[in-house]
Amino acid sequence: LAKTTQPISMDSYEGQEVNITCSHNNIATNDYITWYQQFPSQGPRFIIQGYKTKVTNEVASLFIPADRKSSTLSLPRVSLSDTAVYYCLVGGAAGNKLTFGGGTRVLVKP
Amino acid sequence: EAQVTQNPRYLITVTGKKLTVTCSQNMNHEYMSWYRQDPGLGLRQIYYSMNVEVTDKGDVPEGYKVSRKEKRNFPLILESPSPNQTSLYFCASSSLRDRGLETQYFGPGTRLLVL
Repeated sequence: LAKTTQPISMDSYEGQEVNITCSHNNIATNDYITWYQQFPSQGPRFIIQGYKTKVTNEVASLFIPADRKSSTLSLPRVSLSDTAVYYCLVGGAAGNKLTFGGGTRVLVKP
Repeated sequence: EAQVTQNPRYLITVTGKKLTVTCSQNMNHEYMSWYRQDPGLGLRQIYYSMNVEVTDKGDVPEGYKVSRKEKRNFPLILESPSPNQTSLYFCASSSLRDRGLETQYFGPGTRLLVL
């Protein structure tokens, strides 16, 4: 069972890039790495998913080194509305449990 | 509109009184799951289901039951609720692909208080 570790919180300012690293030393061969964003009193919302190397979409990039024991979510030019909790999730191979990290609370300041 | 719905959204009950939280999705997803979220503990998976009549335990299944008689519904049952089950509960669904899950869609959450 892949356990994940993330920083508890980080602060940033509008317009800066935010990088959040998740450690998952026991990731299984078939596991994917997925990141979610959650606002208070709402369900998590998908941001990005990857298996290896780099993935980019319109809101974020995900960097995964060759050993896949960690991953880094990169949020370019954050705004105040990006203040949220960000979760790293490892799993997804059919039949596997899904394990969320503890979440990283990102506060974007003006 | 593609969505996951949960009912009720808020529930106050007493210890030992059986309750069911319903979850329904309209996306024809094979995979459905229940999570609970507690302060400082993040999201923890309770049960999941890969398809109709196929369910399995997550990380914190004690005190909960689930069933998957239809593809769209995945109710969470608390046979004898206790105060330590006071929490925020989320249902999620996803389609399966060759190597695993697609992104999960989460419901709006059910806030449960057990007195």
